[in-house]
Amino acid sequence: EPEVTQTPSHQVTQMGQEVILRCVPISNHLYFYWYRQILGQKVEFLVSFYNNEISEKSEIFDDQFSVERPDGSNFTLKIRSTKLEDSAMYFCASVRQVEVGYTFGSGTRLTVV
Amino acid sequence: KQEVTQIPAALSVPEGENLVLNCSFTDSAIYNLQWFRQDPGKGLTSLLLIQSSQREQTSGRLNASLDKSSGRSTLYIAASQPGDSATYLCAVSDNYGQNFVFGPGTRLSVLP
Repeated sequence: EPEVTQTPSHQVTQMGQEVILRCVPISNHLYFYWYRQILGQKVEFLVSFYNNEISEKSEIFDDQFSVERPDGSNFTLKIRSTKLEDSAMYFCASVRQVEVGYTFGSGTRLTVV
Repeated sequence: KQEVTQIPAALSVPEGENLVLNCSFTDSAIYNLQWFRQDPGKGLTSLLLIQSSQREQTSGRLNASLDKSSGRSTLYIAASQPGDSATYLCAVSDNYGQNFVFGPGTRLSVLP
């Protein structure tokens, strides 16, 4: 069964550093998403991406965050200057059409020290 | 602003029991509702998706119902097994399915 692949599975970075989280969505999917889950808290929407542009973003997704689909297969989330409170599990998801269920990746655990 | 709650927060049952997990949402103008399973430290697995025009969906031992007007959904698990132990998340979308608002989850333990 097709999968959404996320790398790395765990990343540790120093506060103030830039990080890029990578995702390879399912190849024929058209909509792409990033969510995050701070330990012990709810899963929160960050951003949705369709037709090579952001279609919606949450209040969390401020100008420290950006997304890109550089080559038609990868979908990346960049955090420019990480803060301690960015420590969370970050999930990528994709879907071919919004009437069917999402497929989530297994997540990247980001630890900012 | 949409808020999603789930009851109970945790549930422990002996193997073989039938059980019901509850989800409530404050804004009934949803596009669809999805139930997910999350294993510790892992990603989210989609279990069932119900469109706003549907009343229920079934997959194997799982049955999800939706009462949009009252802002409620239930996930029924028949003949529970230890492998069902996980956290079950309910999520609703209210913008043409472009993003989901998640509940806090119900942590289920099925004891052998």
